[in-house]
Amino acid sequence: EDQVTQSPEALRLQEGESSSLNCSYTVSGLRGLFWYRQDPGKGPEFLFTLYSAGEEKEKERLKATLTKKESFLHITAPKPEDSATYLCAVQTSGTYKYIFGTGTRLKVLA
Amino acid sequence: EAQVTQNPRYLITVTGKKLTVTCSQNMNHEYMSWYRQDPGLGLRQIYYSMNVEVTDKGDVPEGYKVSRKEKRNFPLILESPSPNQTSLYFCASSAFDPGQKEKLFFGSGTQLSVL
Repeated sequence: EDQVTQSPEALRLQEGESSSLNCSYTVSGLRGLFWYRQDPGKGPEFLFTLYSAGEEKEKERLKATLTKKESFLHITAPKPEDSATYLCAVQTSGTYKYIFGTGTRLKVLA
Repeated sequence: EAQVTQNPRYLITVTGKKLTVTCSQNMNHEYMSWYRQDPGLGLRQIYYSMNVEVTDKGDVPEGYKVSRKEKRNFPLILESPSPNQTSLYFCASSAFDPGQKEKLFFGSGTQLSVL
């Protein structure tokens, strides 16, 4: 069964305290792995797409990496405005379905 | 402005009363999809469409219908809503290119309560 699991469920960081979020997946065929950011009461917003093991993408304080079984979202020196829920999703090859993880709620304290 | 527009933003209804949530995109996207978001369960795909007149079931299609008669519109129909369909619903769209991994653009969401 195709599945996406994110950990931790929630994370509290002090401003400037770097950390990583994990997304592990098992799918019959991976077309792409996506990271989204969701603010309360809003729709998710795209951050990164990864599709081959070893690939890395960066944007400001965020860096996403991909292996054959998991992806990490590294947050370097976070700021309070980075507080949000971070969602990981995979799109399966063949069917083009999307499967989302349950997200990591990140709170960055000033 | 590129956007996905859902209506209504909030909806309260009663069990069994048919309803439609509309979704429209102005980006000429081929791929459109519906999701429900529930606490502890995350976003789950209900239905998706890769082009006009082509629709497929996601992971939780029971109790829902969709149609794709025009490229820009993808309405979600609940013919006989039940309380377990109370949820936050999102529509999303993306371009579709077999050689690319296109990102989803999401609407602002529809909070549905079925009493």
